[in-house]
Amino acid sequence: RKEVEQDPGPFNVPEGATVAFNCTYSNSASQSFFWYRQDCRKEPKLLMSVYSSGNEDGRFTAQLNRASQYISLLIRDSKLSDSATYLCVVNTGNQFYFGTGTSLTVIP
Amino acid sequence: DVKVTQSSRYLVKRTGEKVFLECVQDMDHENMFWYRQDPGLGLRLIYFSYDVKMKEKGDIPEGYSVSREKKERFSLILESASTNQTSMYLCASSTHRLGGQPQHFGDGTRLSIL
Repeated sequence: RKEVEQDPGPFNVPEGATVAFNCTYSNSASQSFFWYRQDCRKEPKLLMSVYSSGNEDGRFTAQLNRASQYISLLIRDSKLSDSATYLCVVNTGNQFYFGTGTSLTVIP
Repeated sequence: DVKVTQSSRYLVKRTGEKVFLECVQDMDHENMFWYRQDPGLGLRLIYFSYDVKMKEKGDIPEGYSVSREKKERFSLILESASTNQTSMYLCASSTHRLGGQPQHFGDGTRLSIL
């Protein structure tokens, strides 16, 4: 069983739409959770950490459900510049486990 | 801001060559990682290191070795390059001092083995 499972998509949404990604993890002892954004042929960049109480950064909202072992990312009012691959990352001990990424294309 | 610097953005080498990929971070991070990323396979961990002179195998260490002689520098070595090692290589660093800290990535090295 994979440590982190993520729907690869692709998600194709119109500008202004709201889109949500989910990610499940297998190890209940996992301690920290993150969403990264990766543009084509570039390195992953930290989008936001995910806190137990949920957290928001502008149009982006991240949530953690420890009981069900999943994290989510909600993007409101999608912009063309949001087009990218979104990776969920789970930290267990000193190890980081990556989902395979969800591809998002925002269409004009 | 954390800066992770990889020595080359693009590299072309020949089969059988010994290849060195260098990574340097400037935040005194204890942990450093080498990944490769291939289409459809996501990031796969090759090796990681928790401290100077320490190294641990990741998921796909075969054909690779690493060196960490100084805290800020983590080198990936392809002992005898093969075409199936053509890939995007990503270095990352993190700290465990504060708990719950993310990884920071270098720009990546696109390595082609001919």
